[in-house]
Amino acid sequence: DGGITQSPKYLFRKEGQNVTLSCEQNLNHDAMYWYRQDPGQGLRLIYYSQIVNDFQKGDIAEGYSVSREKKESFPLTVTSAQKNPTAFYLCASSIALTSGGTSSTQYFGPGTRLTVL
Amino acid sequence: QQPVQSPQAVILREGEDAVINCSSSKALYSVHWYRQKHGEAPVFLMILLKGGEQKGHEKISASFNEKKQQSSLYLTASQLSYSGTYFCGTQVQYSNYQLIWGAGTKLIIKP
Repeated sequence: DGGITQSPKYLFRKEGQNVTLSCEQNLNHDAMYWYRQDPGQGLRLIYYSQIVNDFQKGDIAEGYSVSREKKESFPLTVTSAQKNPTAFYLCASSIALTSGGTSSTQYFGPGTRLTVL
Repeated sequence: QQPVQSPQAVILREGEDAVINCSSSKALYSVHWYRQKHGEAPVFLMILLKGGEQKGHEKISASFNEKKQQSSLYLTASQLSYSGTYFCGTQVQYSNYQLIWGAGTKLIIKP
């Protein structure tokens, strides 16, 4: 079955540590996204990538970094520079980014819940 | 610019109907609707393309009013399983078509 996987489901981080969240998709989608969601809030875009070896900052990129070395994978690193990283992190993918209609429909992974101890 | 969703929250009894609106100040190419249950990822429900077409998914349907740049999601004879937060994602016409998300509408269905 095609889909998006994220790991781990729960992650605990000590202050000052960098952690990396995994996101893998086997949908053959070109575009991938990372969102942060705080309790009771909406989706805020961290980074997105249209194609391998290319990515763009979203609205809240400070304290985060990404890479896109393979089409299937888009890992997110939460660095120690991110002051308040406790949140629910969602990865998504779509066929393309700059196409209208169904090609831009995003499909989400199950999410990673990050807690800073 | 972020689309405006209304209402922010609604509480219904099972079997009642609800309407959730998503409005934009920009000309839209499409509107995507998603539902997110507590602690889970958003799930895609349907897409409305410009042209005013109405689509349906079980007892959930939606319309797109191009003149008003507004989409409405209709939940008919609501079931407990409809509880969750509904998000709209809009694509602005003549833009890069990146989805811009609304803040969400929380729907609570009581038995």
